[in-house]
Amino acid sequence: IAGITQAPTSQILAAGRRMTLRCTQDMRHNAMYWYRQDLGLGLRLIHYSNTAGTTGKGEVPDGYSVSRANTDDFPLTLASAVPSQTSVYFCASSEGTTDTQYFGPGTRLTVL
Amino acid sequence: GQNIDQPTEMTATEGAIVQINCTYQTSGFNGLFWYQQHAGEAPTFLSYNVLDGLEEKGRFSSFLSRSKGYSYLLLKELQMKDSASYLCAALDSNYQLIWGAGTKLIIKP
Repeated sequence: IAGITQAPTSQILAAGRRMTLRCTQDMRHNAMYWYRQDLGLGLRLIHYSNTAGTTGKGEVPDGYSVSRANTDDFPLTLASAVPSQTSVYFCASSEGTTDTQYFGPGTRLTVL
Repeated sequence: GQNIDQPTEMTATEGAIVQINCTYQTSGFNGLFWYQQHAGEAPTFLSYNVLDGLEEKGRFSSFLSRSKGYSYLLLKELQMKDSASYLCAALDSNYQLIWGAGTKLIIKP
């Protein structure tokens, strides 16, 4: 059982390019989340999904989109990357919205 | 606005006890989480409090006072492997976690 996997581990991207970060969980959790973590700041929620087929905007959704076609997968897309999107991105999942969130290993993204 | 405050950095000695404080202001409250994050790694769950009082789990304990908007994480018998950042997060009325910036704990021999 892997828990949550993310891909890629790291990526350097030219500004203006489109990029999809992948997240897959095998725990059959209903809720999934995307966060970004920047030095000196707390984790900030980008988008979330309380159950398959639904998504919602978090604190910092601009420039990002998500989809939740099934329970296991929750990809995050940057339509046109900008340098301010340089960050470490964590995907997380929880059984329900009030339950403990479990994190994937993260993707380190650099936009030049 | 919503806010979580915790110290940026703390230093403690191996074998000692350290208390990491966290104060929170959120729209609604549905519980307080503590996570540990080693450098370059993902956060891992440590504890959850929703009622006032102390929850003990081995060397780690977490306390919550809802009336004061205050929590602390107590680490006993510190080990070098406890060197990490400790993240405080409050679950708000929309069931979203509001995160503090984390407390970097440095353990010295």
